Amino acid sequence: SQQGEEDPQALSIQEGENATMNCSYKTSINNLQWYRQNSGRGLVHLILIRSNEREKHSGRLRVTLDTSKKSSSLLITASRAADTASYFCATDADYKLSFGAGTTVTVRA
Amino acid sequence: GAVVSQHPSRVICKSGTSVKIECRSLDFQATTMFWYRQFPKKSLMLMATSNEGSKATYEQGVEKDKFLINHASLTLSTLTVTSAHPEDSSFYICSSSRALAGGLANEQFFGPGTRLTVL
Repeated sequence: SQQGEEDPQALSIQEGENATMNCSYKTSINNLQWYRQNSGRGLVHLILIRSNEREKHSGRLRVTLDTSKKSSSLLITASRAADTASYFCATDADYKLSFGAGTTVTVRA
Repeated sequence: GAVVSQHPSRVICKSGTSVKIECRSLDFQATTMFWYRQFPKKSLMLMATSNEGSKATYEQGVEKDKFLINHASLTLSTLTVTSAHPEDSSFYICSSSRALAGGLANEQFFGPGTRLTVL
């Protein structure tokens, strides 16, 4: 069942700006993952953060996890036009993934 | 990341016919694969967990007789949409699952998806 909720639903930014999106969930998790999906395509795994981790970096991506608030954030720094996509958080509670509704990010050149 | 293929990428069929979608894990043997469904501008909804050599586990609300899943080998799972209707039109995505080091999580690798349109 879907348990992640994301906000904002849509985000439009200028190239070079940072993009931040948030994910909230309801139950205890083993880990939380972020994915990117280009229109009409499959999902690309971006980053996984375990429940005992608070922050993780990967290139221009920074993910935070606050298990007390049951929330996570994804920050994309110095955005590029190629970052235009939908971004989904997914919680792993019992080796199955529950996806959030997603944030559609548009990066304007 | 690992490569997962899906075939076909697009299919258009008439109402009442059955459609089979294949999902192949090309880089590793996957005892567990997942099938998701995605409506336009919506999230992925897990339909079922496909287990090699045993029956699939379906999520609540998913008709097992409507969406037949077969995981005949460690690299292939198939989803057959039986007696398709226009409301079955959707984007179907599979994933193959592999345990991460330490065994505390599984990593899923997603296929490119199959766009099904039922006329």
